Amino acid sequence: QKEVEQNSGPLSVPEGAIASLNCTYSDRGSQSFFWYRQYSGKSPELIMSIYSNGDKEDGRFTAQLNKASQYVSLLIRDSQPSDSATYLCAVIGNYQLIWGAGTKLIIKP
Amino acid sequence: GAVVSQHPSWVICKSGTSVKIECRSLDFQATTMFWYRQFPKQSLMLMATSNEGSKATYEQGVEKDKFLINHASLTLSTLTVTSAHPEDSSFYICSASSVTREDNEQFFGPGTRLTVL
Repeated sequence: QKEVEQNSGPLSVPEGAIASLNCTYSDRGSQSFFWYRQYSGKSPELIMSIYSNGDKEDGRFTAQLNKASQYVSLLIRDSQPSDSATYLCAVIGNYQLIWGAGTKLIIKP
Repeated sequence: GAVVSQHPSWVICKSGTSVKIECRSLDFQATTMFWYRQFPKQSLMLMATSNEGSKATYEQGVEKDKFLINHASLTLSTLTVTSAHPEDSSFYICSASSVTREDNEQFFGPGTRLTVL
């Protein structure tokens, strides 16, 4: 059974600090990795995609991928209250998109 | 990013009636569309995958005769909840992807909140 695992949280981070979200996956053949943000009652929206080992930065967001250890993480710098949401990790392997259950992030003012 | 719309955004219906939800890709041709359901405080649950012009592939436990999916064109897929019951009340979300886009990235519609009385 291919799985994507995330800590459900909630993860509480003070405003201005770095929020670190982690995701592990079981399928070594996975090739594409996505982080989505979902506000309560809304659809997920894509924040970052990453396909190769290393870091990928986009504004305050940095995605990190380590295929050898089978984990992908998302760092949010200078966290803002508006970053409070559930963050979903999604992994594609063999044309199948597998979702993690999501981590609820709370940024405290 | 690409734009996906859904209609209606919310619907309330009586038990036993059928409800149709539309999902449209507005600025790209969606070779594949996905239908998800999400109950409160739970993660997305994939219901079915549909490719344009062919029958949808349903996930285990999803009744294909109850949740009718039609993907008649590269820009439109519909989900019909037949003989809806209160337990079908949920947030239904579609997403679309295209083989012409990088790595089958999915773009989500805004969702449809269904309440069955």
